[in-house]
Amino acid sequence: QITLKESGPTLVKPTQTLTLTCNFSGFSLTTHGVGVGLIRQPPGKALEWLALIYWDDDKRYSPSLNSRLTITKDTSKNQVVFTMTNMDPVDTATHYCLYRPDSSGRDFWGQGTLVTVSS
Amino acid sequence: ETVMTQSPATQSVSPGERVTLSCRASQSVSSNLAWYQQKPGQVPRLLIYAASTRATGIPARFSGSGSGTEFTLTISSLQPEDFAVYYCHQCNNWPYSFGQGTKLEIK
Repeated sequence: QITLKESGPTLVKPTQTLTLTCNFSGFSLTTHGVGVGLIRQPPGKALEWLALIYWDDDKRYSPSLNSRLTITKDTSKNQVVFTMTNMDPVDTATHYCLYRPDSSGRDFWGQGTLVTVSS
Repeated sequence: ETVMTQSPATQSVSPGERVTLSCRASQSVSSNLAWYQQKPGQVPRLLIYAASTRATGIPARFSGSGSGTEFTLTISSLQPEDFAVYYCHQCNNWPYSFGQGTKLEIK
């Protein structure tokens, strides 16, 4: 059974750095072709991809947020870590961790975690 | 970047009706297109992947078609639990992207 769970702060202050950890089970991030990524959804708005890391450590970032994002993996812990610097209230969103087994769109989602940016 | 455009933004329909939702990509995404259903406060639920393959446990009333830049999601007979927001999602060109959603409302 594939599961993913996001953990991290629910509240961050403006200008702070957000660190989210995605712990997963049921697959290995050493398997050829697979990836784990992060998607966010501001309240009442659509979904947006932020970052994606593949089995071979290939990393992709949203062009609009590239300078603020970092994604890393620890395959021994079955964990992916995302950081986003210089948080702003407009970054308030539910963040979802997602497993991509292939390119077909047959993705698996975590339960999501709401991060609020406020002083 | 690949822009996904969904139409209409909102559709009012009656239970039992057949409904077709459209999604257009600004450039080809091959068949790497998925459809999601989302209800308030819930995680998006995968309905269709690879443009036309139903995900595990999805009722047969949901079907997807298309390739390249034009895609459709059809619900053959709308059930009360189908009133939700539907998103298309391209996963062919990075950055991957979602449409803005189509909200199905009860007429």
